Amino acid sequence: DAGITQSPRHKVTETGTPVTLRCHQTENHRYMYWYRQDPGHGLRLIHYSYGVKDTDKGEVSDGYSVSRSKTEDFLLTLESATSSQTSVYFCAIRLHGLAETNEQFFGPGTRLTVL
Amino acid sequence: GQNIDQPTEMTATEGAIVQINCTYQTSGFNGLFWYQQHAGEAPTFLSYNVLDGLEEKGRFSSFLSRSKGYSYLLLKELQMKDSASYLCAVLPNDYKLSFGAGTTVTVRA
Repeated sequence: DAGITQSPRHKVTETGTPVTLRCHQTENHRYMYWYRQDPGHGLRLIHYSYGVKDTDKGEVSDGYSVSRSKTEDFLLTLESATSSQTSVYFCAIRLHGLAETNEQFFGPGTRLTVL
Repeated sequence: GQNIDQPTEMTATEGAIVQINCTYQTSGFNGLFWYQQHAGEAPTFLSYNVLDGLEEKGRFSSFLSRSKGYSYLLLKELQMKDSASYLCAVLPNDYKLSFGAGTTVTVRA
């Protein structure tokens, strides 16, 4: 299962509060990603990381920040949550191997509700 | 941005065959993926195509035509457990995987 966990799995918060979601991997993968999934939009990339302290923006990065201070953890922060950020958030890692398919493997997801 | 289109919903009968089409227009091409996602769960990898042609994996096959910007996922001998959403995703030049909105397949007895 590529050893990916996400925490928390569910969270309900209020508008204006800060929220941090954690993605943890145990297999030393270099690339990590944060997506959100909403009905009718599919998965959309928020931010990604290509190494410790190396991150870049995705398609829907406004209102989100990330940090990666060690290989195994990739944190997604909503500085001031809004109702439009109610979504399911998935973390993913890119698998490397001899075939180098660039397949991404997803964590179990975090369901966030902003009231 | 990238443009990836696939039908929203499809319904088929148990034991039948269903073909899910995906068309794409992207900035470069480094491969096309199909993922399966059951309700409330994470997407799971099904197939990868980078060269033209058909890749077969058990009951599932995936086809790619790069010149046409077209792929399909073929599900044979449908089972109830195949009821899920199927996501088409393309890896463009920037290596940021871009997903279609997904096709919900309902298998009926």
